[in-house]
Amino acid sequence: GAVVSQHPSWVICKSGTSVKIECRSLDFQATTMFWYRQFPKQSLMLMATSNEGSKATYEQGVEKDKFLINHASLTLSTLTVTSAHPEDSSFYICSARGTADSPLHFGNGTRLTVT
Amino acid sequence: GNSVTQMEGPVTLSEEAFLTINCTYTATGYPSLFWYVQYPGEGLQLLLKATKADDKGSNKGFEATYRKETTSFHLEKGSVQVSDSAVYFCAENSGGSNYKLTFGKGTLLTVNP
Repeated sequence: GAVVSQHPSWVICKSGTSVKIECRSLDFQATTMFWYRQFPKQSLMLMATSNEGSKATYEQGVEKDKFLINHASLTLSTLTVTSAHPEDSSFYICSARGTADSPLHFGNGTRLTVT
Repeated sequence: GNSVTQMEGPVTLSEEAFLTINCTYTATGYPSLFWYVQYPGEGLQLLLKATKADDKGSNKGFEATYRKETTSFHLEKGSVQVSDSAVYFCAENSGGSNYKLTFGKGTLLTVNP
């Protein structure tokens, strides 16, 4: 079945540095990808919707200059957390779909810890 | 905005016990409703869904019925197995084809042999 690969699965970085997380669709072309953030014991919060070849649409309250999203190809979207701070520590999950009627496929998530 | 409220866990059951995880939503109209499952170390997977009132979604012995009158989509399974141990997320999509899902907080289920 369709697989979405997310990399890295976990990362530790120092405060002030930037971290890039990749989300790849391995066997289908993902016209739309979604990025979520999950706090401990909280639900997944949609951060942004990314369509290939266009700018991402960010949800209210999400800083687009802080969380840079690039969907440069039909199989790859990246989320870059810029100038990371401890409060950015969280679990980030991507999902992808092909056509509008296609089901969503989720990556395994990335655990980010900022020290 | 819309929200999804699901039963807080963790839920611990013995094998072959009956499972119910409650889920209610606030979206108006007729959102599509989903249950996702996340096994340890893996991503979320769609377990079942229902797209209109009174529909019953089912998969792997799990069932959930879309109840418009109570705005609920409770997950049930008659006899759980150890392999059902996972986190279960209820979600709704009232955003049409944009597929912007609103998730509940997730319920951790542990099934003991």
